[in-house]
Amino acid sequence: QVQLQESGPGLVKPSETLSLTCNVSGGSITRDYWSWIRQPPGKGLEWIGHISYSGGTNYNPSLKSRVIISLDTSKNQFSLKMSSVTAADTALYYCARGYASTPGYSWGQGTRVTVSS
Amino acid sequence: QSALTQPASVSGSPGQSITISCTGTSSDIGFYNYVSWFQQQPGEAPKLIIYDAYYRPSGVSFRFSGSKSGNTASLTISGLQAEDEADYYCCSYTTSRILVFGGGTKLTVL
Repeated sequence: QVQLQESGPGLVKPSETLSLTCNVSGGSITRDYWSWIRQPPGKGLEWIGHISYSGGTNYNPSLKSRVIISLDTSKNQFSLKMSSVTAADTALYYCARGYASTPGYSWGQGTRVTVSS
Repeated sequence: QSALTQPASVSGSPGQSITISCTGTSSDIGFYNYVSWFQQQPGEAPKLIIYDAYYRPSGVSFRFSGSKSGNTASLTISGLQAEDEADYYCCSYTTSRILVFGGGTKLTVL
């Protein structure tokens, strides 16, 4: 069974770049689609974007200018970089495995990121 | 791309059936059957309970069913149980090749 685990700094300063990694175990990253999804405190889910097994990406238009999702097949992991963060980017960030049409057959436990000076 | 529209809350008594609606547009729900539903218990990651509008993943209770008509998808939970109390989110693939979530619905079991 595929398992996902997010990692990265829990605190990021405003205007800096948020960087998270999702380690995938129990399955290969060279298949399926790999998403980042976030949830601000007390609010709903927001799809950030995904990357396919072949490296193709799609992003939420509202975040597209600040986001890059990449794949590292040698480490069986994928990453999220979000630039110019503000307090509005404070959220629980999940990584998930799915298909282009369905984001979350498997989810990580989530990692909390706070944007604050 | 706007979020899909869900009621903020629904409630029902044990044993009853409830339905949660999810309204989109002709560019998402109305165009594809690629609607998924997620259940999120407090403090936990979401769990996929319906995919492709109608289908349950292995291990999901038969009490959960999905349907779609036009630009609206629905999740029905029959034989409501206390353990069903959670937040529910719909999600749809769109003609822009992106995914969009609904705002979420809080289910209270009375």
